[in-house]
Amino acid sequence: DAKTTQPTSMDCAEGRAANLPCNHSTISGNEYVYWYRQIHSQGPQYIIHGLKNNETNEMASLIITEDRKSSTLILPHATLRDTAVYYCIVNTGNQFYFGTGTSLTVIP
Amino acid sequence: GAVVSQHPSWVICKSGTSVKIECRSLDFQATTMFWYRQFPKQSLMLMATSNEGSKATYEQGVEKDKFLINHASLTLSTLTVTSAHPEDSSFYICSAQGGGYNEQFFGPGTRLTVL
Repeated sequence: DAKTTQPTSMDCAEGRAANLPCNHSTISGNEYVYWYRQIHSQGPQYIIHGLKNNETNEMASLIITEDRKSSTLILPHATLRDTAVYYCIVNTGNQFYFGTGTSLTVIP
Repeated sequence: GAVVSQHPSWVICKSGTSVKIECRSLDFQATTMFWYRQFPKQSLMLMATSNEGSKATYEQGVEKDKFLINHASLTLSTLTVTSAHPEDSSFYICSAQGGGYNEQFFGPGTRLTVL
């Protein structure tokens, strides 16, 4: 079962930062936080993952709270192509159990 | 990131027939592959996990005799939906893990429609 809670939907203005929150209050010490996104009728796309420290790559930044019970995915300058469902997944080892995700709509 | 392909992209079949879906990791060796199913407006549901050369491990509620999984090589896994019925119509997605990557890389999905 999914161990994360995300808002159902969010809007963001084009060019602004999109901040997507995720709660994972039961996360264990060795569990990573992964973020994926799924554009309609496509397979999920990997965005970023982290364990304790904040992470940044060419797509996004991941901010994990010190107690690791929540995290935020930041898309620094949202574009229309970032409109998708964003999934936050807590994982140790192999299996991914997807929650309902956040449907992000980037508005022109 | 690594690339995973699926074939076919979509398939329409008659009720009672079997359908095979292929999942390939194109540029890395996938020690583990996963199969998911996604119904309209719902999230992905993990069906099974397969390690190369081993029998697949199915999630609770997934019929192993109906959804046959083969992972005979480090770059190929197949899912066969046997005696398909309209309720099996769904979007089937595979993912692969391995080659030094911790994350899973997903294929583009296969849309199955059973008439």
